[in-house]
Amino acid sequence: DGGITQSPKYLFRKEGQNVTLSCEQNLNHDAMYWYRQDPGQGLRLIYYSQIVNDFQKGDIAEGYSVSREKKESFPLTVTSAQKNPTAFYLCASSTLGTRYNEQFFGPGTRLTVL
Amino acid sequence: AQTVTQSQPEMSVQEAETVTLSCTYDTSESDYYLFWYKQPPSRQMILVIRQEAYKQQNATENRFSVNFQKAAKSFSLKISDSQLGDAAMYFCAYRSETGANSKLTFGKGITLSVRP
Repeated sequence: DGGITQSPKYLFRKEGQNVTLSCEQNLNHDAMYWYRQDPGQGLRLIYYSQIVNDFQKGDIAEGYSVSREKKESFPLTVTSAQKNPTAFYLCASSTLGTRYNEQFFGPGTRLTVL
Repeated sequence: AQTVTQSQPEMSVQEAETVTLSCTYDTSESDYYLFWYKQPPSRQMILVIRQEAYKQQNATENRFSVNFQKAAKSFSLKISDSQLGDAAMYFCAYRSETGANSKLTFGKGITLSVRP
């Protein structure tokens, strides 16, 4: 089945540690995205990538980093510079150049900083 | 920059009745796309319905339909014959038509509860 997988589902981190969230898609989508979801805030874009080896900052990129070495993978690293990392993180992917370029989402990762 | 506003944080509907969720947006563009996503308690985001700005006809998907008012920059979602499984958070989203831009701008969401 085609889709987007995120791992792990739950992640706990101690303050001061970097942590990497995994996102993989087998939909052959060109574009991938990372969102952060906080209560009452909706989804906010962290980073996105429209092609391998290239990515752009979203609205809240500070304290995060990404890479796009393969079309299928777009890992997100939450660094120790992120002041309030506890949140729900969603990865998405989409085609480019079609009419809607609608985004499909993974199941999410809940990150908790202890 | 575009903004999306969902001013009602919570709504409730009786099972089998109809409910309308409001969404307004701000843009200077003439071509764009609008979406409604559903997030049930599992937190999996699901696309409910989509609308192209240049199409005057309102989109419909089974029990879900939209009222798209381009001049008013309004994009409301109507759910008919509400079911218990419709209980979820609903997000309105905007996408620009500019170039290959595929970014979505989301509203803050509305929590819909369905009373049996």
